[in-house]
Amino acid sequence: DAGVTQSPTHLIKTRGQHVTLRCSPISGHKSVSWYQQVLGQGPQFIFQYYEKEERGRGNFPDRFSARQFPNYSSELNVNALLLGDSALYLCASIKQNTDTQYFGPGTRLTVL
Amino acid sequence: AQKVTQAQTEISVVEKEDVTLDCVYETRDTTYYLFWYKQPPSGELVFLIRRNSFDEQNEISGRYSWNFQKSTSSFNFTITASQVVDSAVYFCALSEGGSGSRLTFGEGTQLTVNP
Repeated sequence: DAGVTQSPTHLIKTRGQHVTLRCSPISGHKSVSWYQQVLGQGPQFIFQYYEKEERGRGNFPDRFSARQFPNYSSELNVNALLLGDSALYLCASIKQNTDTQYFGPGTRLTVL
Repeated sequence: AQKVTQAQTEISVVEKEDVTLDCVYETRDTTYYLFWYKQPPSGELVFLIRRNSFDEQNEISGRYSWNFQKSTSSFNFTITASQVVDSAVYFCALSEGGSGSRLTFGEGTQLTVNP
């Protein structure tokens, strides 16, 4: 089975712009989580979705939003980008009944 | 609130040495899960192990072993006979039962194995 896929791999935006990041979970997994990893730090939880419903939200401003589609893929949207949004954005596919999260390769976002 | 501390920011060893990465956690829950992930330079987080709070048995997988001690709130990771390919950032993470699958990560330990 294919692992978690994310697109795009890299992205460069300017302040004030909007960005959409995409994630496809492992086949059979119905839950995804999003994390932000700033350089030199551990990942920080942004959102979790299960069966298209938001299950949890981290301490991020309303500029961050997400959704999950019927095929369990997910999008993370960030509006009004700030320089501080530059980071690696990681999507995790969650295996039911174990809570084990398998991560994708990430999208590296640079905001200029 | 839950918290994970990895006090060792960087560790450098010579190949074939044994190395232990420390992890200390804080939680008020009695049900929780602990994880270790490896992050090579490519950036992808690779799952290594999951342990629930009711299972204090130590685990060994090849050159990797984990020591879970609830009494000291620690979940340490040992690599035996380290290899250059073990060079990476290692993260310890905590998930509390009832909080969904939200992972709280430590700051990570950069392990460098020199030939």
